[in-house]
Amino acid sequence: EAGVTQFPSHSVIEKGQTVTLRCDPISGHDNLYWYRRVMGKEIKFLLHFVKESKQDESGMPNNRFLAERTGGTYSTLKVQPAELEDSGVYFCASSQVAGGPNEQFFGPGTRLTVL
Amino acid sequence: GENVEQHPSTLSVQEGDSAVIKCTYSDSASNYFPWYKQELGKRPQLIIDIRSNVGEKKDQRIAVTLNKTAKHFSLHITETQPEDSAVYFCAARKAGGGNKLTFGTGTQLKVEL
Repeated sequence: EAGVTQFPSHSVIEKGQTVTLRCDPISGHDNLYWYRRVMGKEIKFLLHFVKESKQDESGMPNNRFLAERTGGTYSTLKVQPAELEDSGVYFCASSQVAGGPNEQFFGPGTRLTVL
Repeated sequence: GENVEQHPSTLSVQEGDSAVIKCTYSDSASNYFPWYKQELGKRPQLIIDIRSNVGEKKDQRIAVTLNKTAKHFSLHITETQPEDSAVYFCAARKAGGGNKLTFGTGTQLKVEL
């Protein structure tokens, strides 16, 4: 079974540009999460989709970040315009629908560098 | 909101020794505590987890203990091997708070030969 995949693996952009990150969850996983790790700090929650609906977007830093999950399959996270502080590793994770806590499977991450 | 603190940030042990990583959480409503291991260049992977109705859980060389009263939990790795070298993250999930995980800052474990 394929795991969570993310594209691209690395992205280097100039401040003010736009970048779109993509995540493909494990097939059949209704829950999809975005997290971010800024250099040396914790992995921080950004938002959670259940199918195509945003269940919790309390971690989104500001309105420069837009996440979508049209059709409830893959998701995109767009940063526009990018700022220096947006640099970090963006992780996507997915989990099955189940009662109570269930394992979140992580993707390999996208390393974003904003110059 | 929930806050998770993790110590130490780096840990170096000799092969065969034990390693202990400690985490504390702030929200007593947290009821699920996973540990993730991230090897260099790879994705974080769940290695063990514990729910709040259990005080200890063991899986071969790794174990996790939970003290709900003190709001702390620990990862114990015995007989460490070079392949245990990685960054370890603890996390907490709050009951009724959706499925989002609140992570610690990570511990870089290095097992030296």
